Amino acid sequence: AQSVTQPDIHITVSEGASLELRCNYSYGATPYLFWYVQSPGQGLQLLLKYFSGDTLVQGIKGFEAEFKRSQSSFNLRKPSVHWSDAAEYFCAVGAGGGNKLTFGTGTQLKVEL
Amino acid sequence: EAQVTQNPRYLITVTGKKLTVTCSQNMNHEYMSWYRQDPGLGLRQIYYSMNVEVTDKGDVPEGYKVSRKEKRNFPLILESPSPNQTSLYFCASSWAGGRNNEQFFGPGTRLTVL
Repeated sequence: AQSVTQPDIHITVSEGASLELRCNYSYGATPYLFWYVQSPGQGLQLLLKYFSGDTLVQGIKGFEAEFKRSQSSFNLRKPSVHWSDAAEYFCAVGAGGGNKLTFGTGTQLKVEL
Repeated sequence: EAQVTQNPRYLITVTGKKLTVTCSQNMNHEYMSWYRQDPGLGLRQIYYSMNVEVTDKGDVPEGYKVSRKEKRNFPLILESPSPNQTSLYFCASSWAGGRNNEQFFGPGTRLTVL
């Protein structure tokens, strides 16, 4: 069965610092990978997705992620964090029938001013 | 504006009192799903629907029912809610099935069962 691990439950960074959120997946076939962001009181917004091709994918709000098959990882990065990036971030793998997404447990990002 | 809407956004109820959470999308999507979000567990799929009158169980279907009588609507029904169904619920939709199709999420419904 597929699974997603986000090892960091909470991360705190200073505004302007770089950010990397970790995501490791387990899936037997070619993974389709997603990063979503959930701002307080909001639904989930897609930041970026990887299906195939270039292993470095660009998303919205200045985020990028790199797919590394050898490490089963899909880490999310941003070179300079803004206070408005404070939110919860979810990594997900598309797997199974019915268009199901299997989510990680999320990483809560706090940004210090 | 393309969107998924859910109602109500917040609901407090008591054990055993039947309730329905509505979900509607205006994007003509075929696939719709319900997820629940619990601290430390991420989001887990409850039920999904591939088209009108076609539904199937997700990972945590116990205690829930769904129906898909119209393409745009996918209500979640709790016939006898229990406190362990206290959670944040999300409806999602996508153009089609398959692992690569982006899902669009509603704003969520926070349910408390006393």
